[in-house]
Amino acid sequence: KAGVTQTPRYLIKTRGQQVTLSCSPISGHRSVSWYQQTPGQGLQFLFEYFSETQRNKGNFPGRFSGRQFSNSRSEMNVSTLELGDSALYLCASSLVGHRAQYFGPGTRLTVL
Amino acid sequence: ELKVEQNPLFLSMQEGKNYTIYCNYSTTSDRLYWYRQDPGKSLESLFVLLSNGAVKQEGRLMASLDTKARLSTLHITAAVHDLSATYFCAFMSNDYKLSFGAGTTVTVRA
Repeated sequence: KAGVTQTPRYLIKTRGQQVTLSCSPISGHRSVSWYQQTPGQGLQFLFEYFSETQRNKGNFPGRFSGRQFSNSRSEMNVSTLELGDSALYLCASSLVGHRAQYFGPGTRLTVL
Repeated sequence: ELKVEQNPLFLSMQEGKNYTIYCNYSTTSDRLYWYRQDPGKSLESLFVLLSNGAVKQEGRLMASLDTKARLSTLHITAAVHDLSATYFCAFMSNDYKLSFGAGTTVTVRA
């Protein structure tokens, strides 16, 4: 079974731009979560989707948004990028929300 | 908000010896996850513990959960170099949000 895939793997943007990251979950998994990992803040929850519905959102500004499609694939968008948005963005999928979450390889975003 | 305190943050292990990583959390939760992360890599799921008293073992690693003490431990038996990595514990709240500890960076020396 293919694992969680994320595209792109690396991204370089400048301040003020926007970015869209994509996540394809493991086949059959309907829950997709997003996390931001930085050296200073560690791993922080962004949001979780199940059957195209956002069930929870972390403490991030409204510039961070996401969605999930009917095939369970998910995208997250960050608008008006700031230097502090530079991070590894990880996507995880699971069969249902509280079971084992399987992480993708991540997207390394650098904001210049 | 569920807070997770993991310690130690850094652990230098000697090959062949035993060590324990501790993970305390602030509110009621019976869903505990342990992950491993190698440098520059993503998170690898090690254990999922879903009930009080749960114990799981895989190779040299054993994880346990005590929901009454709000404590989980990851015990490493006879450390080997391959275990060098950063280990994270995480707890899931009822609203499907995973809260991670700060991570324990493990280095195994000969």
